[in-house]
Amino acid sequence: EAGVAQSPRYKIIEKRQSVAFWCNPISGHATLYWYQQILGQGPKLLIQFQNNGVVDDSQLPKDRFSAERLKGVDSTLKIQPAKLEDSAVYLCASSLGGSSYNSPLHFGNGTRLTVT
Amino acid sequence: AQTVTQSQPEMSVQEAETVTLSCTYDTSENNYYLFWYKQPPSRQMILVIRQEAYKQQNATENRFSVNFQKAAKSFSLKISDSQLGDTAMYFCAFMKSFPLDPNFGNEKLTFGTGTRLTIIP
Repeated sequence: EAGVAQSPRYKIIEKRQSVAFWCNPISGHATLYWYQQILGQGPKLLIQFQNNGVVDDSQLPKDRFSAERLKGVDSTLKIQPAKLEDSAVYLCASSLGGSSYNSPLHFGNGTRLTVT
Repeated sequence: AQTVTQSQPEMSVQEAETVTLSCTYDTSENNYYLFWYKQPPSRQMILVIRQEAYKQQNATENRFSVNFQKAAKSFSLKISDSQLGDTAMYFCAFMKSFPLDPNFGNEKLTFGTGTRLTIIP
């Protein structure tokens, strides 16, 4: 099966600019996650979707970050305006949903964002 | 809230030797799952092994095994006969067992800060 696809692979922007990341989950996976991984740290959940509804966005900085999952498939994560501290790898993951043991998370290769 | 602690930022071991990575966690939950993920330079997180908290038997996957001590809230990963391809960041992760609502799908993964493992030829 095809894995979780993310683009772009790398992105360099200046502070106060905007940027968008795209994720295409594995076909049939109802749950989609966006994680932020700052260098030297473990991934931190930004937002979780179940189909096209938001389950958890408690750690999403909503004044600058937004995410959507139209039609419960692809998802985009946007930052506007970007700050230096947003430099990180943004990981997308998906899972079938339901019992967490029986539906492990599958991760994409991530987008490395550098804000200068 | 759950926390996951990995106290070894970096480790190295000779090829073919055995290495153990440590992980402790804090939770008030009784039912949960624990995971070890591997992240090579490609950045993709790859599931190595998982353990259900209600199972007393330690999980094993080929050269990878865990030592799960529920009372101590400890979950270490042992890699036997280490290979050069095992060089990567390793993350311990926690997930609550059951979603609040089946319509909400999985619970989220909470990760530790990682251990950078280097296998020396």
